[in-house]
Amino acid sequence: GAGVSQTPSNKVTEKGKYVELRCDPISGHTALYWYRQSLGQGPEFLIYFQGTGAADDSGLPNDRFFAVRPEGSVSTLKIQRTERGDSAVYLCASSSLGQGIGGYTFGSGTRLTVV
Amino acid sequence: SQKIEQNSEALNIQEGKTATLTCNYTNYSPAYLQWYRQDPGRGPVFLLLIRENEKEKRKERLKVTFDTTLKQSLFHITASQPADSATYLCALDMDSSYKLIFGSGTRLLVRP
Repeated sequence: GAGVSQTPSNKVTEKGKYVELRCDPISGHTALYWYRQSLGQGPEFLIYFQGTGAADDSGLPNDRFFAVRPEGSVSTLKIQRTERGDSAVYLCASSSLGQGIGGYTFGSGTRLTVV
Repeated sequence: SQKIEQNSEALNIQEGKTATLTCNYTNYSPAYLQWYRQDPGRGPVFLLLIRENEKEKRKERLKVTFDTTLKQSLFHITASQPADSATYLCALDMDSSYKLIFGSGTRLLVRP
């Protein structure tokens, strides 16, 4: 597609449930990033993929969070046993160069609300 | 750890004036500094990138400066328009890698 696509755009879930958030990057972009943005704050880094492998997952807050990119394109961020504190906008970005020298292209995000 | 400060108060200016937004950081200078625009309900949109060894970068009505002595970047929009109203985010790439550290952003309101 022309841009980074994220689905769903909104997700409301009950505390304790499992959720999956999907990211479809720009075709041909090998680098993919997940960020999380809370209200009034800038995005915070979660995880970076180069190809199929997670090159850096140091931003994942705990082991309830996991992300995959099995074929080097679409990525899924998975959150187990959701907590109210997980509520935020989850942003995905991609770039053609791993170093982001040309800037990242972000999707519109998935707004996750845990009730 | 690196901290980034952007003015949390909204900047309110008259159409046609120049908007100047500030990004200050602590600790050591990043390899790259990027500016993004974010509209409500949307993801950030990349605007400009400036390297550590560059003083200034321009793109159309936008200008970014980078002063590693002051540990500061200024972002200017000349001849501002109401359509420029948005939140502007500063982001640091510390070591030419993939991990950006974002500021909280400054909201710009341009009055017609």
